[in-house]
Amino acid sequence: NAGVTQTPKFQVLKTGQSMTLQCAQDMNHNSMYWYRQDPGMGLRLIYYSASEGTTDKGEVPNGYNVSRLNKREFSLRLESAAPSQTSVYFCASSEVRLVYGYGYTFGSGTRLTVV
Amino acid sequence: QKEVEQNSGPLSVPEGAIASLNCTYSDRGSQSFFWYRQYSGKSPELIMFIYSNGDKEDGRFTAQLNKASQYVSLLIRDSQPSDSATYLCAANTGNQFYFGTGTSLTVIP
Repeated sequence: NAGVTQTPKFQVLKTGQSMTLQCAQDMNHNSMYWYRQDPGMGLRLIYYSASEGTTDKGEVPNGYNVSRLNKREFSLRLESAAPSQTSVYFCASSEVRLVYGYGYTFGSGTRLTVV
Repeated sequence: QKEVEQNSGPLSVPEGAIASLNCTYSDRGSQSFFWYRQYSGKSPELIMFIYSNGDKEDGRFTAQLNKASQYVSLLIRDSQPSDSATYLCAANTGNQFYFGTGTSLTVIP
């Protein structure tokens, strides 16, 4: 059982380049999330998908787009990378009924550097 | 005002001592609360959750929730060097989590 799989693990981009971060989960979770983590800022929500076919903006959506391809897969796209997007990106998934304490399962992260 | 606030530390305790990590939250509608541990360079992993007032114990870990004071804490008994990590507090409101910035804990052998 792989849980949440993110690719790639590391990436260096030049300013203005585009790329897509891939995320897949095999736990049959309905909800999926993209976070970025920066020193001193904690985890900040970029976009989330409460269920297949829906996506919503989080706290810091500017410069990103997402696609919920199917129940398993949720991708994050940077159309024109900027140095401010240098960060560690985490994908996560969860059951919808968080009140029962399922919490998130996180992927291993993507370390992105934009030069 | 941040939804979830934590003292960033660093917090240092000697091996075998009790480590106490604290967290406050602003949204009274928050339903459940989670503690994640994150080792350097790794992803967060869930260690405890709590949604009722009072204490919840799991091995060496005890989570405490006081909804009237909007306060959540995590106690780690018999701290071990392997507990050295950043601990993230999270509050669930609706379909989202709000994370604190984390408290760095170092357990000194």
